[in-house]
Amino acid sequence: DTGVSQDPRHKITKRGQNVTFRCDPISEHNRLYWYRQTLGQGPEFLTYFQNEAQLEKSRLLSDRFSAERPKGSFSTLEIQRTEQGDSAMYLCASSLETGGAGTEAFFGQGTRLTVV
Amino acid sequence: GQSLEQPSEVTAVEGAIVQINCTYQTSGFYGLSWYQQHDGGAPTFLSYNALDGLEETGRFSSFLSRSDSYGYLLLQELQMKDSASYFCAVRSWGKLQFGAGTQVVVTP
Repeated sequence: DTGVSQDPRHKITKRGQNVTFRCDPISEHNRLYWYRQTLGQGPEFLTYFQNEAQLEKSRLLSDRFSAERPKGSFSTLEIQRTEQGDSAMYLCASSLETGGAGTEAFFGQGTRLTVV
Repeated sequence: GQSLEQPSEVTAVEGAIVQINCTYQTSGFYGLSWYQQHDGGAPTFLSYNALDGLEETGRFSSFLSRSDSYGYLLLQELQMKDSASYFCAVRSWGKLQFGAGTQVVVTP
């Protein structure tokens, strides 16, 4: 296994367009997170899945953002009608959760989105 | 609500010891993690504390006091490659929430 992979690595889009990012977690990991990070800030929680179930979505996330993990493996994050404020690095992370105890979350290299 | 506070920047010379403090406010607390992120890179896991006390992993140690809602990361024998951002992250109700990060600058 090569770790968490994200595609694409970079995306430039015009304001108002829709974009979709993909994350392939480590294969045996049952938990998957999406974060957004801007320069000089920590990763901001967006949403997370336990297998195929989306357990929580940040209240900061507008209805333009949606995420899926249809078969409990890869996940997609879609942003509709992009705005310049959506420009950021979008990070995906995965972990193996075995009931309460914390485990290491492994991050992908991220997708850098630029909205022009 | 939920919040994490850590210093924005720390500067130290090679070979020195640096302590990065993190105070948090959250419900459903499970534990405190620390991650390192180099410029342009992804965050990488350093340590996790679920119980009070000190966890040591090589040059890095992490401490947690649940009663004080406080933890710290200790970097010993600083090396130039330790220049990076360090994030504390609270695991609460299953999700992982990060602080704003501490930029550690190591000088010769």
